Amino acid sequence: TQLLEQSPQFLSIQEGENLTVYCNSSSVFSSLQWYRQEPGEGPVLLVTVVTGGEVKKLKRLTFQFGDARKDSSLHITAAQPGDTGLYLCAGAREETSGSRLTFGEGTQLTVNP
Amino acid sequence: NAGVTQTPKFQVLKTGQSMTLQCAQDMNHEYMSWYRQDPGMGLRLIHYSVGAGITDQGEVPNGYNVSRSTTEDFPLRLLSAAPSQTSVYFCASSYSYSSYEQYFGPGTRLTVT
Repeated sequence: TQLLEQSPQFLSIQEGENLTVYCNSSSVFSSLQWYRQEPGEGPVLLVTVVTGGEVKKLKRLTFQFGDARKDSSLHITAAQPGDTGLYLCAGAREETSGSRLTFGEGTQLTVNP
Repeated sequence: NAGVTQTPKFQVLKTGQSMTLQCAQDMNHEYMSWYRQDPGMGLRLIHYSVGAGITDQGEVPNGYNVSRSTTEDFPLRLLSAAPSQTSVYFCASSYSYSSYEQYFGPGTRLTVT
């Protein structure tokens, strides 16, 4: 059983559409991160959220940490083909430390021109 | 700054062979870790190190050994390769054990036949 459940696993949309990816758990996390991974490369950190209810924006990407720090979402507005990639959420559990991360399974996003 | 480097990029082994995956970082980071990435399972932590001379097990340590003789290097050794170890391996580093931001290398794709 995955500690962090991501949904959907696959998402194929047209350019200009909006989308939301979810990351859910029954455990509390001290921090949660979102990464994007391109084929043949390692994950690259997009954002870290540490406070329950926190919202962070990165251009057309909006990240939210749940009030109870058990879930997070990533919303992309007006998706572009350059947004295509594997999106991973990762959390640091309260009983461990910031760097020891648990990853979700990932969401493979394809944005078609 | 090269960041996190990994060699080799690709490797094919026969069952029972041993090999070492190399990882180096030039950012003077204390914390280094190894993950494996398998389809539909996200990244799983194999071993990690909080500083030179200190290592510990992650979620899936069986069949792997690590050592950390210098701050820069964190090699991963496969003692007797098995087909179940076919995977993509990523090395990551962060400033310290309590840091949130991790930097990943480009990965090593390993196939065990």
